[in-house]
Amino acid sequence: KAGVTQTPRYLIKTRGQQVTLSCSPISGHRSVSWYQQTPGQGLQFLFEYFSETQRNKGNFPGRFSGRQFSNSRSEMNVSTLELGDSALYLCASSLGDRGQTEAFFGQGTRLTVV
Amino acid sequence: AQSVTQPDIHITVSEGASLELRCNYSYGATPYLFWYVQSPGQGLQLLLKYFSGDTLVQGIKGFEAEFKRSQSSFNLRKPSVHWSDAAEYFCAARWGSGYSTLTFGKGTMLLVSP
Repeated sequence: KAGVTQTPRYLIKTRGQQVTLSCSPISGHRSVSWYQQTPGQGLQFLFEYFSETQRNKGNFPGRFSGRQFSNSRSEMNVSTLELGDSALYLCASSLGDRGQTEAFFGQGTRLTVV
Repeated sequence: AQSVTQPDIHITVSEGASLELRCNYSYGATPYLFWYVQSPGQGLQLLLKYFSGDTLVQGIKGFEAEFKRSQSSFNLRKPSVHWSDAAEYFCAARWGSGYSTLTFGKGTMLLVSP
């Protein structure tokens, strides 16, 4: 079956702009999580959505937001972009049940802020 | 606080030699444990997982990992490394049976010499 699809793969934006990233999870998966990956900070959790509700949130400013649609697809939005937002943004899909489930990741969206 | 430690930032192994990548976790309760691999510019691919039971788990691409509760460790091993194994490897943990998130180590970059 198809894996996790993230679009676009690459983005270049200017400081102050906003950006929207998209993630389509594996069919049947209801949980979508977002992570930011940078060389300095590594992989950091942004937030998780399950059945259209934000279930967990990491320690990021309010400029980072997300949502999930009824078909489980998720979008992540970053407003008022800063240079430090340049990163690889990864989306992970899982069943979202308690216990023994694993997360599968997409290829990521490489965001460059200039 | 919950954390995952990968003590080695870089490791160089000769092709055909054996490999062991170290991973330790903090926090008293035993988490669910995972190893992921990331090739340059790509997303994370799940190599293997440990939920419970047999402490030696087999994964894809000939990798295995051993869970040792007494050492809070989950080390990744491969008996014979191939040049195509060169990549960055991430250990991750998820605590509790609830909807907790993945906590990642900083990663270990594996270089394979001819």
